[in-house]
Amino acid sequence: AQSVTQLGSHVSVSEGALVLLRCNYSSSVPPYLFWYVQYPNQGLQLLLKYTSAATLVKGINGFEAEFKKSETSFHLTKPSAHMSDAAEYFCAVSAPSFKTIFGAGTRLFVKA
Amino acid sequence: DSGVTQTPKHLITATGQRVTLRCSPRSGDLSVYWYQQSLDQGLQFLIQYYNGEERAKGNILERFSAQQFPDLHSELNLSSLELGDSALYFCASSSRLEETQYFGPGTRLLVL
Repeated sequence: AQSVTQLGSHVSVSEGALVLLRCNYSSSVPPYLFWYVQYPNQGLQLLLKYTSAATLVKGINGFEAEFKKSETSFHLTKPSAHMSDAAEYFCAVSAPSFKTIFGAGTRLFVKA
Repeated sequence: DSGVTQTPKHLITATGQRVTLRCSPRSGDLSVYWYQQSLDQGLQFLIQYYNGEERAKGNILERFSAQQFPDLHSELNLSSLELGDSALYFCASSSRLEETQYFGPGTRLLVL
């Protein structure tokens, strides 16, 4: 069985500050892990994904995430927040022959 | 543009009515997923089809049904509509069960 937990339904940062969105997963087999972003009035789009290659994954718009097996975590980071990063972010887990499970989402607010 | 198309973009209807939402997956994708997103429930997985067959069911009400046709497009039928069915309905597609899902722009349903 698989599950994913996103810590914090809302995160607020100042423009230029570090963005850290937390995701912990549970999987009975080696997982695939994803971060998706949803801008207002749009569908979700892939930000980055981990599929058992390099543990540090770089995505679009300066985001990256690190797979830490010992901590069962896949936190999303960006060194410097921009106003355009304000959106909802979803972590998701899957594995070969397993369906994708989405987290509840974290809404990121960026203050000027 | 994800390559997934959904029609209509907006739909306004009355309680007790029936509507059909349509989705065309990305070229080559065999899996289609339906999601409901509302402010109070968040992103809820409804149902998945793979190459015309139902593969997984989530929190789909009995009043809702879906199918995937031989040309791989899918329809979500919502009947006996209630005020609480007002939401964004997303379709997504993927090549395999565990792979990246590509989301359409959604259909915004308003039940009055």
